[in-house]
Amino acid sequence: KAGVTQTPRYLIKTRGQQVTLSCSPISGHRSVSWYQQTPGQGLQFLFEYFSETQRNKGNFPGRFSGRQFSNSRSEMNVSTLELGDSALYLCASSSGGDRPLHFGNGTRLTVT
Amino acid sequence: AQSVTQLGSHVSVSEGALVLLRCNYSSSVPPYLFWYVQYPNQGLQLLLKYTSAATLVKGINGFEAEFKKSETSFHLTKPSAHMSDAAEYFCAVSDSGGSNYKLTFGKGTLLTVNP
Repeated sequence: KAGVTQTPRYLIKTRGQQVTLSCSPISGHRSVSWYQQTPGQGLQFLFEYFSETQRNKGNFPGRFSGRQFSNSRSEMNVSTLELGDSALYLCASSSGGDRPLHFGNGTRLTVT
Repeated sequence: AQSVTQLGSHVSVSEGALVLLRCNYSSSVPPYLFWYVQYPNQGLQLLLKYTSAATLVKGINGFEAEFKKSETSFHLTKPSAHMSDAAEYFCAVSDSGGSNYKLTFGKGTLLTVNP
């Protein structure tokens, strides 16, 4: 079974631009979560979607948004990029309940 | 809210030596606890999870962890380190009730294995 796939792997954007990251979960998984990883703050929860509905959101500004499609694929969008948004963005999926998260390899975003 | 603390941001061991990575948790309810490993330029891979079925949890690659409620600890061990174990290890606790989509992670411990 294929794992969680994130595209693209690397992105370079300029401050003020917006960016969209994509995540395809493991087949059959309906829950998709997003995390931001930085050297300073570590791993932080962004939000989670289940059956196209956002169930929970972390403590991030409204510039960070996401959505989930009917096939469970998910996208996250960051508008008006800031230098501090440079990070590894990880997507994870699970089949729900107490099942563990399975992570993708991430998208490394660099904002210049 | 749940939290975890990893003691030691960097641990260095010799090949063949015991690996011990420390994690203490804070939780107001019986916790779901996890250990993940991250290799350079990759995502997180689940090593093992604790869900109250057994206090000693065996994971992949020879790792295991013991849940000790009295010490609020969930330390990760491996009897004999291999060069391939060099990576960053994260302890995490579920912060989403019975579901595990929202994890709170520790700051991570970088494991170096010396030949």
